[in-house]
This record gives sequence, C-alpha cells and structure tokens, in this order.
Amino acid sequence: DTEVTQTPKHLVMGMTNKKSLKCEQHMGHRAMYWYKQKAKKPPELMFVYSYEKLSINESVPSRFSPECPNSSLLNLHLHALQPEDSALYLCASSQGGTLLNNSPLHFGNGTRLTVT
Amino acid sequence: GNSVTQMEGPVTLSEEAFLTINCTYTATGYPSLFWYVQYPGEGLQLLLKATKADDKGSNKGFEATYRKETTSFHLEKGSVQVSDSAVYFCALSDLAINYGGSQGNLIFGKGTKLSVKP
Repeated sequence: DTEVTQTPKHLVMGMTNKKSLKCEQHMGHRAMYWYKQKAKKPPELMFVYSYEKLSINESVPSRFSPECPNSSLLNLHLHALQPEDSALYLCASSQGGTLLNNSPLHFGNGTRLTVT
Repeated sequence: GNSVTQMEGPVTLSEEAFLTINCTYTATGYPSLFWYVQYPGEGLQLLLKATKADDKGSNKGFEATYRKETTSFHLEKGSVQVSDSAVYFCALSDLAINYGGSQGNLIFGKGTKLSVKP
C-alpha cells in the first residue's frame, strides 16, 4: 500500500470543465511534487512545493494550477484542458524540504486523466 | 546537462533467468542514483538507491552498484519471478540551486519494460 494517497483514481473531463486532483501524505514529508506521465514514458516534473511554498514550476501552462493548503495536502486545479493533457498525474513526497539529503521520492498511484 | 540512458526494452525472460538492465549516466558533481519500479496501474516505487561511488543498493533480490569509473548503475537479479514483471526506471538526483536555496529533481531514464514468463 502506498503512503501517498491520490484521488480520484480516474477522471474524465471536458475541455470546458474545472476539476481538481488531490494528494495526501502523513509521513511528515516537507516536499511534495506533481509529475505528469504519458504512456510508455518516464514521469516529467511539473511542480515542487518545499515547506508549503512553490519552489519549482517547470514552465507548466497556466491551465494547471497547484495549491498546497498545508504540509500534508497538495492539490492540482485543472481548467480548460486540452486532449493532449490526458495522462497519468503522479503526486510524490520526500523527507525534508529538498532532495539535498538525497531522500527518495514516495509516489502515489496516480490519477488517470482523460480530457475529451 | 545531466542525463540517464537505460537499455531499450521490452525485455522478456523466463522465470528463474538472470536479469541485467543497463543504466549509464552523465552528471556533474556526485549525484545519488536510484532504481524505481512501476507495476501495471500503479505509481513508482523506490526499489534501491546508492548515494556514493562503490555503494551497492539492494532490495528484494535486486542489486545495483554505483560505478563512477564507468558512470553506470546496472540493475541485476539472479532469478526473476513472474511477479517482477513491471517497468524499471533508472534515475539520478539533480541538485540545483534555485530561489536562494537548494532544490532537487530526479532525472529519469526512459524506462525498461520487463516481462517474465512462467
């Protein structure tokens, strides 16, 4: 069982919809991440939060909006997505606020998003 | 920039066969190296890691040794099982300085799909 919980597991949305992906961890980790994974590809980093502050935004389009309400929760708000945004969205966390101590990432099982 | 190259898949083996998945890296400094495994329909799980040269990471019968001289971190297992069927990703930590502090990211290889037949 993963210690990083993501909801929902599957999401189908239209291009005009607004939806949110949720991620929760109770391991006391202070860094949380959003990755996007297309089929048969490695995960691509989207955002990093360190101590609840956005520290890395990998030039992600503004139709993706992250939010970190507290140290245990991470959301990804979606609006006006395109069909090419369909992918597996993975949340991860790591101990401490950075990878400075090379602590590994703990991944959730992801949300499979389909944009129609 | 930093990068990871791993062998193309898919790799198909019979149960109890020996497994090697090659991984080489390009990096400045001294990155940590990781192997992650992704089972069908799931997220990635850390399989093993090594943080400095000559370290050997091991877990569930899998091993990988951090070889600085050959910039490699090959994954091996002596006897694979059907339950090992998954996609395996080699990765390195990419430490960068951003926003006045130290941040990091994992650089992943493209992944190698392993199928083990009974």
